[in-house]
Amino acid sequence: DIQMTQSPSSVSASVGDRVTITCRASQDISIWLAWYQQKPGKAPKLLIYSASSLQSGVPSRFSGSGSGTDFTLTISSLQPEDFATYYCQQTNRFPTFGQGTRLEIQ
Amino acid sequence: EVQLVQSGAEVKKPGESLKISCKGSGYSFTSYWIGWVRQMPGKGLEWMGIIYPGDSDTRYSPSFQGQVTISVDKSISTAYLQWSSLKASDTAMYYCVRQSIAAQYFDYWGQGILVTVSS
Repeated sequence: DIQMTQSPSSVSASVGDRVTITCRASQDISIWLAWYQQKPGKAPKLLIYSASSLQSGVPSRFSGSGSGTDFTLTISSLQPEDFATYYCQQTNRFPTFGQGTRLEIQ
Repeated sequence: EVQLVQSGAEVKKPGESLKISCKGSGYSFTSYWIGWVRQMPGKGLEWMGIIYPGDSDTRYSPSFQGQVTISVDKSISTAYLQWSSLKASDTAMYYCVRQSIAAQYFDYWGQGILVTVSS
């Protein structure tokens, strides 16, 4: 199995801040990485696919980068609705998810 | 509009069987893989397996192989996840997902089904 490790596990930030979440794969996955946002009591929502492609309808303040084993999700200017848990997922073989990063209001 | 609509919450006893469903609409159901994702209480996401409704080709995560069965009835655009003998550790939220044609990411999610297994 390809293991996905996110950091940090949780982060506190304020509205307007720039936040970066990191995801590391245990082996090279090229650009086969997706990011999801999950709010309490809701299903996850796709934000980014193929490491850096923005899903239709997702605000442009979300961006993704990276290739190989190291990836980042950046939110350029946090909005109140962005406080949620974020998961990365490798899509190279049997899909596996990172453990999640909880983004909390400071 | 693409929708995946799942059946309602279930409360079962250990040892009982269960089959939950996921109905797709708003797209060509037979052209996209449908998968299942588990989320145990307060935990992260785990991919369980996937099925292609066009020919019922099915693949399982090694962690779930032999523990569950994924099936489909393409005549009613519905995918299923079933257990023959539930355990307390099966208590979780289960999401069905549509896999993108381009790669193994999930572009649409069902609303989730909470399965509670308790004596």
